[in-house]
Parts: sequence; C-alpha cells; structure tokens
Amino acid sequence: DSGVTQTPKHLITATGQRVTLRCSPRSGDLSVYWYQQSLDQGLQFLIQYYNGEERAKGNILERFSAQQFPDLHSELNLSSLELGDSALYFCASSEGHLNREAFFGQGTRLTVV
Amino acid sequence: ELKVEQNPLFLSMQEGKNYTIYCNYSTTSDRLYWYRQDPGKSLESLFVLLSNGAVKQEGRLMASLDTKARLSTLHITAAVHDLSATYFCAVPLLKETSGSRLTFGEGTQLTVNP
Repeated sequence: DSGVTQTPKHLITATGQRVTLRCSPRSGDLSVYWYQQSLDQGLQFLIQYYNGEERAKGNILERFSAQQFPDLHSELNLSSLELGDSALYFCASSEGHLNREAFFGQGTRLTVV
Repeated sequence: ELKVEQNPLFLSMQEGKNYTIYCNYSTTSDRLYWYRQDPGKSLESLFVLLSNGAVKQEGRLMASLDTKARLSTLHITAAVHDLSATYFCAVPLLKETSGSRLTFGEGTQLTVNP
C-alpha cells in the first residue's frame, strides 16, 4: 500500500457525460500528479499540483481539469467524455518536486461506453 | 522534448535465466526510477537511482544508472515466475519554475516461463 488513495476504483459511464476522480496523497506529500495510461498512448503525464497550485501541465485535454484543495486532496474532472478517454487514471504524490520517489495510487479504471 | 525508450518491449524467458532490460533517455537527468506493474494494477516503485554510477539491488533485480550515456539497465538474475510483470523506467523532468513530471518508457512486458 503506497498510502495514495484513489476513488472510485472503477467507473463506467456514457459518452458525453462528466465524471470526477478523487485522490488523497500520502500524509505529508504536497505534490499530486495525474497520469493517464491507455493502450495506445502508454503512460502520459496530465498535470501536477503543488500545495494547491498548478505547477506543470502535460498532455491534458481542454475537456479535462483538475484542482487541489486546502487539505491537499485532488480531483480530476473529465467532461464531454469520448470512447477514447477510456483508460486507467493514476494519481501519484511526492513530498516535493520529485526530489525522491513518487508514489502511485491504485488507479481508477474509466470505461466510456 | 524528453524521450524515454526501453528495449526490449516484450521479453519471454525461462526460469533460471538472466537478462537485461535497457532504458535510454534523450536529455540530461541525474536520476531515474524503475517501476513494476502487474496487469490492471498500480505502479510499484522498485528503484530510485539518484546519481551517476548508482547501483541498487533487491532480490533478483539490479538496476544501474549511467547519466553520461543516458542509460539505465535493469538486470534480472535467475528469473522466477513471480517476476512476470511489466517494468517501466521513468525519468523526471524537473523545472524550478514550472514543476516536475515523470516521462515513462513504453514498458517491458516480462513473462517468465517454467
């Protein structure tokens, strides 16, 4: 158990819908990262938050947004879902800016039908 | 743009054999991470290599980092079935003003056959 908690574990939704994925980082970690893992794209970095502020942005679609709350948990919002958004979404956390390890949650498997 | 390449992408080996997975990356980095992933599961941290020449061993796995060659290796000794998984290397991109991220290799799917 990495100490990073993601909910829900599985999500099935229809095209055009909106979902929210939640992540609680390890105790003491200030950085939260979101990654998408799909068969065709591999593991792709989406976005990083550090202590409530957005710090780095990767290949995140405009339909996707994220935030980190004062208690440091983070949410990834995915809207106008398409079949191609089906993937495993991971949250990771680290103490700072990847000075050492990043710990990954169990992931949320999103299936868009 | 940082690129991370692993080879081989697929590796089928017999129990008891040795093999090496290679990870090349395109821009300067003084650290590298190795992860293991079982099907449908999370990424488990195996090694964090923090300097040139770093070598770490855990059981039948040994990882090393050559920052000058931009190369890391993951060596498997006397493979056992339990090592069957996908192995990823990842390189951090650290920017003081704009945060950090990991760029992953494509992954090496290892199957150890009895």
